[in-house]
Amino acid sequence: EAGVAQSPRYKIIEKRQSVAFWCNPISGHATLYWYQQILGQGPKLLIQFQNNGVVDDSQLPKDRFSAERLKGVDSTLKIQPAKLEDSAVYLCASSLGFGTGIDTQYFGPGTRLTVL
Amino acid sequence: AQTVTQSQPEMSVQEAETVTLSCTYDTSESDYYLFWYKQPPSRQMILVIRQEAYKQQNATENRFSVNFQKAAKSFSLKISDSQLGDAAMYFCACSLMEYGNKLVFGAGTILRVKS
Repeated sequence: EAGVAQSPRYKIIEKRQSVAFWCNPISGHATLYWYQQILGQGPKLLIQFQNNGVVDDSQLPKDRFSAERLKGVDSTLKIQPAKLEDSAVYLCASSLGFGTGIDTQYFGPGTRLTVL
Repeated sequence: AQTVTQSQPEMSVQEAETVTLSCTYDTSESDYYLFWYKQPPSRQMILVIRQEAYKQQNATENRFSVNFQKAAKSFSLKISDSQLGDAAMYFCACSLMEYGNKLVFGAGTILRVKS
């Protein structure tokens, strides 16, 4: 079974530029999550989708971050304009979804973003 | 709000020996799940073990086991017969059904394995 796919693996940009990350979840997983992991810290949830609807985006800096999940499968996370403090690893995870008991999240390899 | 605390920034263990990583959490909810994830330098977050809060029996997965103390809100991970491949950052995490099962992570513990 294929895991969660993410691209690109690495991205270096100048501050004020824009960047986009892509995630393809495990087939059949209804729930998709984007986490931000700053060096030396645990991941922090940015946004959670159930199918193509947003469940939780309370910690998403909406003035510069946006995310979408078209057709309830792939998802894109965008930052525009980027700031130095956005340098982090962006992790995508997916899970089967609600009503499935213990809902384990499976993670992709992450995208390391460096903002100069 | 839930919080997860890992008080050991770094731990070391000799190959073939046993090590225990500590984790405490705080939540007022009754329905929650607890997880340990491993993150090697490659960054891929890998599930190690999981525990439903309503289950009294401690979870076990081969060399990995947990000591779940619900009243004390403690969820420690024991790794037996440590191997070089166990070296990684270990994260404890908690999810609440009430809040869409989003994971709240601790700050992590770096585990070094000495040969």
